[in-house]
Amino acid sequence: EAQVTQNPRYLITVTGKKLTVTCSQNMNHEYMSWYRQDPGLGLRQIYYSMNVEVTDKGDVPEGYKVSRKEKRNFPLILESPSPNQTSLYFCASSRSGGPQHFGDGTRLSIL
Amino acid sequence: ILNVEQSPQSLHVQEGDSTNFTCSFPSSNFYALHWYRWETAKSPEALFVMTLNGDEKKKGRISATLNTKEGYSYLYIKGSQPEDSATYLCASDIHGSGNTGKLIFGQGTTLQVKP
Repeated sequence: EAQVTQNPRYLITVTGKKLTVTCSQNMNHEYMSWYRQDPGLGLRQIYYSMNVEVTDKGDVPEGYKVSRKEKRNFPLILESPSPNQTSLYFCASSRSGGPQHFGDGTRLSIL
Repeated sequence: ILNVEQSPQSLHVQEGDSTNFTCSFPSSNFYALHWYRWETAKSPEALFVMTLNGDEKKKGRISATLNTKEGYSYLYIKGSQPEDSATYLCASDIHGSGNTGKLIFGQGTTLQVKP
């Protein structure tokens, strides 16, 4: 089954404790993205990647890192999480010119 | 940040009503316009990706039009059903040099269809 898989689905953690949210897709898509969704602000792109080793900042990259060492994986890293990064996060992948395929989301709470 | 605007923010209709929403986007450097349907507690699902001015796409009772010169797209739902209740998102890829994967989303139109 074609899918985008995010882990974990839910995480409660504390300020400053490094965390990684994994994202994997099995559709051989070139493009992958991370978004955060906050009430009243809609979906905002954090980082995106056009292919292996090619990443670029979206609209809200501060406090996040990403890497694209393999085509299927695009982890989101929070080196020192803060409460303002409490949000619902979505990973998505697409082929060139195609629609985004979204994962099921990861709800992060930073205390 | 270039803005993508959607209106109305929310909409309540009766079952059987037809409805439409608007997505406005920057017309310069346009590459593609996406529409997604987002049900509560699920992830967004793609409806359409549109690239050509004047393009019209249809999926069942849902259709969309695109005007790239003036920077707007309409989404139409004919004969709304309760299962159409969702938030409808549009997103613009506004890099005219080609697809970059950088999308800017509107805040969505939330549709509630009453039986």
